Amino acid sequence: DTGVSQDPRHKITKRGQNVTFRCDPISEHNRLYWYRQTLGQGPEFLTYFQNEAQLEKSRLLSDRFSAERPKGSFSTLEIQRTEQGDSAMYLCASSANSQSYGYTFGSGTRLTVV
Amino acid sequence: DQQVKQNSPSLSVQEGRISILNCDYTNSMFDYFLWYKKYPAEGPTFLISISSIKDKNEDGRFTVFLNKSAKHLSLHIVPSQPGDSAVYFCAFKISNFGNEKLTFGTGTRLTIIP
Repeated sequence: DTGVSQDPRHKITKRGQNVTFRCDPISEHNRLYWYRQTLGQGPEFLTYFQNEAQLEKSRLLSDRFSAERPKGSFSTLEIQRTEQGDSAMYLCASSANSQSYGYTFGSGTRLTVV
Repeated sequence: DQQVKQNSPSLSVQEGRISILNCDYTNSMFDYFLWYKKYPAEGPTFLISISSIKDKNEDGRFTVFLNKSAKHLSLHIVPSQPGDSAVYFCAFKISNFGNEKLTFGTGTRLTIIP
């Protein structure tokens, strides 16, 4: 197992287009998290899954954002009608259980909206 | 509502000396505290954590101190090594069942001078 994988690493898109990112967690981890990081800030929580159930969503996750984890394995994060303010690093993390507070993060997908 | 503050955006320390990174928080509900390290183009990597029932936790060269009355968290690295040069984030959690959100600070860029 090579850790948490995110695809793509970089995405440049025009304002108004839709984008989708994929995260493959560590295989035995049942919890999966999405965070967003902008320049000069720490990661901000977006949403969290336990298996296929989305259990918590941040106010940051507007109606244009949707996340899924259909079979409790990989997850996708879709942003519809992208705006320039969506430009950020989108980080995925996974953990085995709630006692494992040291989540394993992926390297992130850097989104640039032009 | 900035619940977590890392007041030093950057810190330079001579190799072999002690590095001290600090975080202040306002939310007294936080009961689990973590430090992450981040290299460029990589996701954050978990370093060390401490629960609110302790005031110190040590792991090799890394020691985390918690002062609950002052709502202050610090990370000591001794001796500092060139490979410690990275951005360090403190992160905080409220350990309610179902609450998996980590609140991160804005980060401190540590540079170890050879």
